[in-house]
Amino acid sequence: GENVEQHPSTLSVQEGDSAVIKCTYSDSASNYFPWYKQELGKRPQLIIDIRSNVGEKKDQRIAVTLNKTAKHFSLHITETQPEDSAVYFCAASKGTSGTYKYIFGTGTRLKVLA
Amino acid sequence: GAVVSQHPSRVICKSGTSVKIECRSLDFQATTMFWYRQFPKQSLMLMATSNEGSKATYEQGVEKDKFLINHASLTLSTLTVTSAHPEDSSFYICSATSGRATEQFFGPGTRLTVL
Repeated sequence: GENVEQHPSTLSVQEGDSAVIKCTYSDSASNYFPWYKQELGKRPQLIIDIRSNVGEKKDQRIAVTLNKTAKHFSLHITETQPEDSAVYFCAASKGTSGTYKYIFGTGTRLKVLA
Repeated sequence: GAVVSQHPSRVICKSGTSVKIECRSLDFQATTMFWYRQFPKQSLMLMATSNEGSKATYEQGVEKDKFLINHASLTLSTLTVTSAHPEDSSFYICSATSGRATEQFFGPGTRLTVL
């Protein structure tokens, strides 16, 4: 079955710097890759997603890139702020409808130092 | 839109008892709901996928007789942890999707503590 690896497990950056989190998936049939932000004790919140027919997507300070050949995708956060501190999870899914399950990465704990 | 609620938010129970957790989609019809378990400082581990009106599909290693899932309507799914033990203590989160949309909308989670 699908396996998603995520690195690094922890990441500390200075406020204003960029943060990059990388994920690798195993199933070449995966075609949807969401990124979630989770604060302690709260629900995961979707921050950005990308489909396999797109190589890059950007939303203000957040961007995601996808390399289908290498089967990896990355989250880029620029101009980091203290409120970006949280745990970030990548996920992979296949299929075009909501019946397909997500396989989550192991998570990255991001700390933005003021 | 796309709001998912869970009840209760926290529950403490004695070992050997059963606990029911409800997951509701408040403003959309959820054709599929997913149940996850999350241990401290770990990722979300999918337990099962449930489609309205049919039996849940459990992930490998998840005991279907211990974690009973019912998805009787398009807005409600329940997870019952039967004969709970301390090792079942965890954060249980549901998510829901509707129709052709791929995005999963997550509930706020239920923290279960088994004494």
